[in-house]
Amino acid sequence: TQLLEQSPQFLSIQEGENLTVYCNSSSVFSSLQWYRQEPGEGPVLLVTVVTGGEVKKLKRLTFQFGDARKDSSLHITAAQPGDTGLYLCAGNARAGSYQLTFGKGTKLSVIP
Amino acid sequence: DTEVTQTPKHLVMGMTNKKSLKCEQHMGHRAMYWYKQKAKKPPELMFVYSYEKLSINESVPSRFSPECPNSSLLNLHLHALQPEDSALYLCASRVDPPGDSSYNEQFFGPGTRLTVL
Repeated sequence: TQLLEQSPQFLSIQEGENLTVYCNSSSVFSSLQWYRQEPGEGPVLLVTVVTGGEVKKLKRLTFQFGDARKDSSLHITAAQPGDTGLYLCAGNARAGSYQLTFGKGTKLSVIP
Repeated sequence: DTEVTQTPKHLVMGMTNKKSLKCEQHMGHRAMYWYKQKAKKPPELMFVYSYEKLSINESVPSRFSPECPNSSLLNLHLHALQPEDSALYLCASRVDPPGDSSYNEQFFGPGTRLTVL
């Protein structure tokens, strides 16, 4: 069974601070996605990383896939209250698979 | 149209009721999913349909009955539920069927908040 360990589980920071969320596994994933979910809503896909060592940027968010495709990180620069939400990483074990392995999520609160 | 819609947004039902959840997408996606999500937990896969055929049933109790009438619609029929079935029920879809070079990027609907009394 593939597992994704996500850390930290909870994070409360002041507006303007930087933060990093980690997603780690002992297994290799063919691709990995990051989602953000707001209370009472469905997860929204932020990014998919595919290649080991890949870095993708989405405005103030920077996503990195580990060289061995076993881990990923999400870095937010100058956090805003609108960044508040549950961040989920989800790994795809192999191309063509139906199922995603979800991490347990990081609950981020950005205080104005 | 680039979204997945779900109705109703909220549903309260008794343990003897029969109700249905509906999901619709018009993105031409051929795989559709039902997930269950409890508070502060990640989504748990329930069912997967590919080309309107049930491909995965994650040992879900028979009081949950999925149906895929066509490639755009997915229903979840509910009967004799228990209070512990209260959760956010999410529908998702994705572009490519299994077997292709898919990154399994799934697009989620807003969910139905179900409360079983």
